[in-house]
Amino acid sequence: AQSVTQPDIHITVSEGASLELRCNYSYGATPYLFWYVQSPGQGLQLLLKYFSGDTLVQGIKGFEAEFKRSQSSFNLRKPSVHWSDAAEYFCAVDGGYQKVTFGIGTKLQVIP
Amino acid sequence: GAVVSQHPSWVICKSGTSVKIECRSLDFQATTMFWYRQFPKQSLMLMATSNEGSKATYEQGVEKDKFLINHASLTLSTLTVTSAHPEDSSFYICSASFGDSYEQYFGPGTRLTVT
Repeated sequence: AQSVTQPDIHITVSEGASLELRCNYSYGATPYLFWYVQSPGQGLQLLLKYFSGDTLVQGIKGFEAEFKRSQSSFNLRKPSVHWSDAAEYFCAVDGGYQKVTFGIGTKLQVIP
Repeated sequence: GAVVSQHPSWVICKSGTSVKIECRSLDFQATTMFWYRQFPKQSLMLMATSNEGSKATYEQGVEKDKFLINHASLTLSTLTVTSAHPEDSSFYICSASFGDSYEQYFGPGTRLTVT
């Protein structure tokens, strides 16, 4: 069975600082990997996805993620955080047949 | 493009009544629609997957007689919570995909409160 681990439940960063949100997955092969962002009371917005190819993936809003097969990781990064980035971030894995498993989420707080 | 809407965005119902939530793909034909449930401060849990014109496939532990899913057309899926109880209170999110795409497009969610 596939699983996703987001070890950081809550992260606080200063505006302008860099950000890295961790995600580790468990799956027998290389799954499809996603990062979503959810603002309070809202649905999910896709930030970026990895299916194959270049392991460094660029997404919207200045986010990027790097797939590292050896570490089974897909960490999300942003060089300079803005106050509007405060939200909850979910890593997700699809091992096939569109059965998506989400991590528990990381809540990002941005302080001025 | 690829916009998914849900209606209502927020609903309160009394215990024992039924409530229907609609999920629509506004600018594409959704081959497959998904229903998720999200408890406060928790992740999304897939409840069921439905294809247009077919019966929904429910995940283990989800009561199909309680959570009725109808995928009536390529742009509309409905989730009916029957005989709702307070423990059914949750945030319900639908998503849709088309063709062979592995990308799902999510609706804004529906907050259900059962009193």
